[in-house]
Amino acid sequence: AQRVTQPEKLLSVFKGAPVELKCNYSYSGSPELFWYVQYSRQRLQLLLRHISRESIKGFTADLNKGETSFHLKKPFAQEEDSAMYYCALKGNNAGKSTFGDGTTLTVKP
Amino acid sequence: GAVVSQHPSWVICKSGTSVKIECRSLDFQATTMFWYRQFPKQSLMLMATSNEGSKATYEQGVEKDKFLINHASLTLSTLTVTSAHPEDSSFYICSAREGGSGRETQYFGPGTRLLVL
Repeated sequence: AQRVTQPEKLLSVFKGAPVELKCNYSYSGSPELFWYVQYSRQRLQLLLRHISRESIKGFTADLNKGETSFHLKKPFAQEEDSAMYYCALKGNNAGKSTFGDGTTLTVKP
Repeated sequence: GAVVSQHPSWVICKSGTSVKIECRSLDFQATTMFWYRQFPKQSLMLMATSNEGSKATYEQGVEKDKFLINHASLTLSTLTVTSAHPEDSSFYICSAREGGSGRETQYFGPGTRLLVL
């Protein structure tokens, strides 16, 4: 079974502070990990995926297989980063994705 | 980027009626689409995987006779909630997958809010 855990439902930081949204997963094979973001009144959209090893809007995420984690980080949070963030895992069995419960990030001025 | 639309955006219906929700990929072809259900302040729960030209794959606990899925073309999948009841009231989201192996991206629709009275 595949499972994604986001331990923090709510996270609040001040503008300019570093932010880390935690994600842990459980999967027996080699998963693909993703971060999705949903801004207020907008649809869910892909933020980044571990395969690409890219930085999007200043966010990065490193897959740590030893700790089964895929935490999302940004060194200096901006107010426009305030949104709901979902970590997701795609297994290699039929390719379905499992989503975490989401973390609501609030960046205060 | 690619766009996925859903119609209607919201619907109110009487208990016992059936409701059809459409999901369209507007500028790409999607052999695979997904249907999710989201309860307030909760995560997305995958209901089924819709494959063009074949039967949908339902997740455990999802009644296939209750939630009929038809993926008749590469740009359209429909979800029909049959004999809807108040407990079916929810936010239904579809997504369409684009791209090949390793570069697949899921694009999400805006969601359909269903209220069954």
